[in-house]
Amino acid sequence: EIVLTQSPATLSLSPGERATLSCRASQSVSSYLAWYQQKPGQAPRLLIYDASNRATGIPARFSGSGSGTDFTLTISSLEPEDFAVYYCQQRSNWPQVTFGPGTKVDIK
Amino acid sequence: QVQLVESGGGVVQPGGSLRLSCAASGFTFSSYGMHWVRQAPGKGLEWVAFIRYDGSNKYYADSVKGRFTISRDNSKNTLYLQMNSLRAEDTAVYYCAKDGGIAVAVYYFDYWGQGTLVTVSS
Repeated sequence: EIVLTQSPATLSLSPGERATLSCRASQSVSSYLAWYQQKPGQAPRLLIYDASNRATGIPARFSGSGSGTDFTLTISSLEPEDFAVYYCQQRSNWPQVTFGPGTKVDIK
Repeated sequence: QVQLVESGGGVVQPGGSLRLSCAASGFTFSSYGMHWVRQAPGKGLEWVAFIRYDGSNKYYADSVKGRFTISRDNSKNTLYLQMNSLRAEDTAVYYCAKDGGIAVAVYYFDYWGQGTLVTVSS
């Protein structure tokens, strides 16, 4: 099983600040990594797939980078609606896809 | 617009069974693979099962293999999850999710339902 580790567990920032979230895989997943956003009481929403491709309707302030074992989700300038939990997910060894434990971005 | 609506959750005793349904609309259901993903209370996400667009291939997480069965009825645009021999650790919100690839699965989840809560408790 490919284990994903996310850091930090919690990120406390103010609106307008830049957020940088990390996801590390226990072995290479090439570029087969996605990012999801989940708000309380809601289903997750796909933000980024294949490491750097924005999903339909996702604002340009969200960007993804990385390959192999190290990945980053960047939110260039936090909007109030961006405070949420973010999960990474790998599909390299489908069908056994796995998710990271999540990073919570909360308001400082 | 794409809509996925789950139903069938509830409280069940350990060892019991439950069948979840997911009604799909707003896209050509018969052209996409579908998944179930679950989330235990206060925890992260866990992929549970996948079914190919035509139902010809099915895959399961090791944690549910032999106990859960995924199926679909393309004439009714509906996805199912039959859950048997339920355990306390199966307690979770169960989401159905559409695969992001048409015909060929990509194992990314581009649309999700609102989820249905399954509680396994005596």
